[in-house]
Amino acid sequence: DAGVTQSPTHLIKTRGQQVTLRCSPKSGHDTVSWYQQALGQGPQFIFQYYEEEERQRGNFPDRFSGHQFPNYSSELNVNALLLGDSALYLCASSFVRDTQYFGPGTRLTVL
Amino acid sequence: SQQGEEDPQALSIQEGENATMNCSYKTSINNLQWYRQNSGRGLVHLILIRSNEREKHSGRLRVTLDTSKKSSSLLITASRAADTASYFCATVRRGGGADGLTFGKGTHLIIQP
Repeated sequence: DAGVTQSPTHLIKTRGQQVTLRCSPKSGHDTVSWYQQALGQGPQFIFQYYEEEERQRGNFPDRFSGHQFPNYSSELNVNALLLGDSALYLCASSFVRDTQYFGPGTRLTVL
Repeated sequence: SQQGEEDPQALSIQEGENATMNCSYKTSINNLQWYRQNSGRGLVHLILIRSNEREKHSGRLRVTLDTSKKSSSLLITASRAADTASYFCATVRRGGGADGLTFGKGTHLIIQP
């Protein structure tokens, strides 16, 4: 049984560009959450998707948007990239409101 | 913003010793969870304790929760080199419509052989 998978592993972008990160949840899970982790900090909650709708959102600007597909996979989109968006982006999946299981993350570097 | 604060920020002990990490949080919670992260990779779920529980065990892990003090502790007994990692507490706010986790800044644990 595959766990949570994320792609790509690493990504380098320049300021002003747009990026899309992808996440496939663990089998049987229907909820996907996204987190941003800056170097040396704890993860910060971006948003959570359930039944293809954004159910909860953290304190992130509208440049951060997402989508959940009928197969429960999810995308995180970030527009107009800033240097401060450089971070590890983590996806977590869960069944309803059970324990969240994290993927390995996507390391985004903005130059 | 971070809700929780782990203490200490860093801890270095000898293999075989016990390691204790503390976490404080600010709001009423549904549950508190501890996660481990190795070298900036994905987080591994260790244990969940609900707001109506005071203590929970899992293998070499012991977690306590004091909701009156808004604090929790994680004890790792008989530490091993493989326990070297960053440890985070995360809370789910009571009454929230969903369960986005609020993490602290973490404790970096180093186990010296």
